[in-house]
Amino acid sequence: GAVVSQHPSRVICKSGTSVKIECRSLDFQATTMFWYRQFPKQSLMLMATSNEGSKATYEQGVEKDKFLINHASLTLSTLTVTSAHPEDSSFYICSARKPFSSGLSYEQYFGPGTRLTVT
Amino acid sequence: GQQVMQIPQYQHVQEGEDFTTYCNSSTTLSNIQWYKQRPGGHPVFLIQLVKSGEVKKQKRLTFQFGEAKKNSSLHITATQTTDVGTYFCAGLQRLYGNKLVFGAGTILRVKS
Repeated sequence: GAVVSQHPSRVICKSGTSVKIECRSLDFQATTMFWYRQFPKQSLMLMATSNEGSKATYEQGVEKDKFLINHASLTLSTLTVTSAHPEDSSFYICSARKPFSSGLSYEQYFGPGTRLTVT
Repeated sequence: GQQVMQIPQYQHVQEGEDFTTYCNSSTTLSNIQWYKQRPGGHPVFLIQLVKSGEVKKQKRLTFQFGEAKKNSSLHITATQTTDVGTYFCAGLQRLYGNKLVFGAGTILRVKS
């Protein structure tokens, strides 16, 4: 299998502060990781694609200065929500894609998610 | 951009009844994937379909990929309470940078 961990699982912070969320692939090297945001009873909205050693690619409408993504190693990507506001409260989920081997596979393995509440 | 529509939004069935969720893409897909998210949990990969007209089975679950590679379905036979959750399809189109585009999901509730 493929295991992706995410830390913290829950975080409550005050408006104006910054929060860092870590996403780790535990048993494989992930050249590509993805960050999603999910509102209650809604689908996953892709925020950005993170490639190891290069700048993240952000989806339209996602502020790159607000949601800082760093993919410093093949097993770790971080999302920092800067100057958080109550409207940033959401469920943030990362996922990782295994490197291609024989036969292309694009399946993604999701972390358990981080519930962010900004007060 | 690429869009993936999924219906129904919500389905409540009696245990033992069948269940089907459908996905439709505005563009031809390279592949389609299905994920299940239990209440309070995260999406878990179920299966990937690549070939036109492909049908795959996992016990009581049957997955189909349309001939035109624009639509897909997931059918559960004789639902059980353990099937409860949200089922998402996700389409991948290489022209869109190999990104998965998720459908809105179908919430399945099973009455015992």
